[in-house]
Amino acid sequence: EPEVTQTPSHQVTQMGQEVILRCVPISNHLYFYWYRQILGQKVEFLVSFYNNEISEKSEIFDDQFSVERPDGSNFTLKIRSTKLEDSAMYFCASSYQTSGEQYFGPGTRLTVT
Amino acid sequence: GENVEQHPSTLSVQEGDSAVIKCTYSDSASNYFPWYKQELGKGPQLIIDIRSNVGEKKDQRIAVTLNKTAKHFSLHITETQPEDSAVYFCAARSWGMDSSYKLIFGSGTRLLVRP
Repeated sequence: EPEVTQTPSHQVTQMGQEVILRCVPISNHLYFYWYRQILGQKVEFLVSFYNNEISEKSEIFDDQFSVERPDGSNFTLKIRSTKLEDSAMYFCASSYQTSGEQYFGPGTRLTVT
Repeated sequence: GENVEQHPSTLSVQEGDSAVIKCTYSDSASNYFPWYKQELGKGPQLIIDIRSNVGEKKDQRIAVTLNKTAKHFSLHITETQPEDSAVYFCAARSWGMDSSYKLIFGSGTRLLVRP
């Protein structure tokens, strides 16, 4: 069964450093998303991406964040200068249609020290 | 914007009993309601969903009901098994001509099924 994959599973970085989180969505899916979950809190929407453009972004997704689909399979989330409060689990998701089901990856745990 | 409330936050049931988790939403434009199961160390797994033109949907031991008037929806798990133990999240999404692509999640329910 096709699934969304994410790497790395755990990333530790120092405050102020740049990190890139990687995702491989399900191969025939067209819509891509990033969500995050701070420990003990709700899963929160960050950004959606379609046709090489951001479709929607939340207020969390400020200028420090960017997304890219560098090739036909990868979808990345970059945080330019990490803050302590960026520590969270980051989930990638994909769907075939905008109205379709969203399938989530296993997540990347980001720890900023 | 949309807000989703979920309760209870924890639920402990005896194996074989039923479990019910309830969610309410605020935006009457929301018309798609998925439920996700999250096991320790894993991402949310879609287990069932319901669209607003349907009042109830079943898949084996799992069912979801939707009351659009009251703006609430519920997950029902019958004949619970220890492997049902996990955190369950409800979510809501509005879509249409000016689609909002994002899911708004509830705060999660930790279900423990006691053998």
